[in-house]
Amino acid sequence: NAGVTQTPKFQVLKTGQSMTLQCAQDMNHNSMYWYRQDPGMGLRLIYYSASEGTTDKGEVPNGYNVSRLNKREFSLRLESAAPSQTSVYFCASSERTGVLAGGFFEQYFGPGTRLTVT
Amino acid sequence: LAKTTQPISMDSYEGQEVNITCSHNNIATNDYITWYQQFPSQGPRFIIQGYKTKVTNEVASLFIPADRKSSTLSLPRVSLSDTAVYYCLVGTFRGANNLFFGTGTRLTVIP
Repeated sequence: NAGVTQTPKFQVLKTGQSMTLQCAQDMNHNSMYWYRQDPGMGLRLIYYSASEGTTDKGEVPNGYNVSRLNKREFSLRLESAAPSQTSVYFCASSERTGVLAGGFFEQYFGPGTRLTVT
Repeated sequence: LAKTTQPISMDSYEGQEVNITCSHNNIATNDYITWYQQFPSQGPRFIIQGYKTKVTNEVASLFIPADRKSSTLSLPRVSLSDTAVYYCLVGTFRGANNLFFGTGTRLTVIP
């Protein structure tokens, strides 16, 4: 079980370039998430997908698009990268969103993609 | 949206018990309290979750008073490998914006 995998691990872009960050999970989870973490800051939710075929905006969606390709894969696209998007991007998955008797469904995080936009 | 307040940093010696308190004055009736741990260059990892009173697992304990306006994560006998950032989250995840990671508490364990 690899858990949550992300590619690439590192990327440097020039302002205006585009790229897609890939995420895959092998835990048969229904829900997937994209977060960004700026230096010295907590994580902020960009987009999430409660189930295959659905996506919703999080706290900071501007400048990003997502695709839930299938149950396993959830990609994040930067159409025109800006220096303000320099960050570490984490993908996560959980069995589903919402609350069970014991609380939130636990989120499992990938190792992150470190993106620098110059 | 129930935001949280935690100390920015804490230091502790190896072998001591560490208590990290989180304030969440605006917690709603249906909100749960969840703690995550993040090591450098890694994604966060779930530690513990609770609604009221006390929850214990093999890693930590979570103490929640009756008014639920704060909670305390307790790590027994910390080791150097417990050096990490600890995040307190409060919410119900009815919608995306209900799950909020603050800046966390950076715990440094000293030999």
